[in-house]
Amino acid sequence: DAGVIQSPRHEVTEMGQEVTLRCKPISGHDYLFWYRQTMMRGLELLIYFNNNVPIDDSGMPEDRFSAKMPNASFSTLKIQPSEPRDSAVYFCASSPPGLARDTQYFGPGTRLTVL
Amino acid sequence: DQQVKQNSPSLSVQEGRISILNCDYTNSMFDYFLWYKKYPAEGPTFLISISSIKDKNEDGRFTVFLNKSAKHLSLHIVPSQPGDSAVYFCAAALYGGATNKLIFGTGTLLAVQP
Repeated sequence: DAGVIQSPRHEVTEMGQEVTLRCKPISGHDYLFWYRQTMMRGLELLIYFNNNVPIDDSGMPEDRFSAKMPNASFSTLKIQPSEPRDSAVYFCASSPPGLARDTQYFGPGTRLTVL
Repeated sequence: DQQVKQNSPSLSVQEGRISILNCDYTNSMFDYFLWYKKYPAEGPTFLISISSIKDKNEDGRFTVFLNKSAKHLSLHIVPSQPGDSAVYFCAAALYGGATNKLIFGTGTLLAVQP
């Protein structure tokens, strides 16, 4: 059974460019989470969806960040324009119906470097 | 404002000894706590959890202790093995209504020396 799939695994871009990160959750999971990992702040929840609907986007840092989930098997996190301080590892996670207590499954992450 | 804090960025222990990783939280409304383990170039994976109605949960070599009055939890690994070398994240769950999210700490890098 495939786990959470993220692409690309690595992204290097220049300041001001648009960046799109992609995620395919585990089939049957109806929760999808986007996290950002940095040394200073650890794992921060950016936004999460339930049944393709954004539930809590309070962690999205600013208007340059946007996330969509057009269907149950695909989500994107877009940064436009990108800045060097956006450099981090971005994780997508999914969980099945019910409370996401012990059952958040993470993808391998996308390492973003903004020059 | 970090609601979940892991004040030790790293920890080094000898193989066979006990590893103790600590975590503090500030929000008394948290009702469930978890530890995740992360290897390089991989996503975090769930390790062990504890409900706020308990003070201890054990799973093999891993035990989590919760001290609600001190708003503190710890993860004990005994005996430690080289394969336990990883980053460990503490997380707290805040549930109410439709809320369904985890608040993570900054992580502690554990190195188990052979």
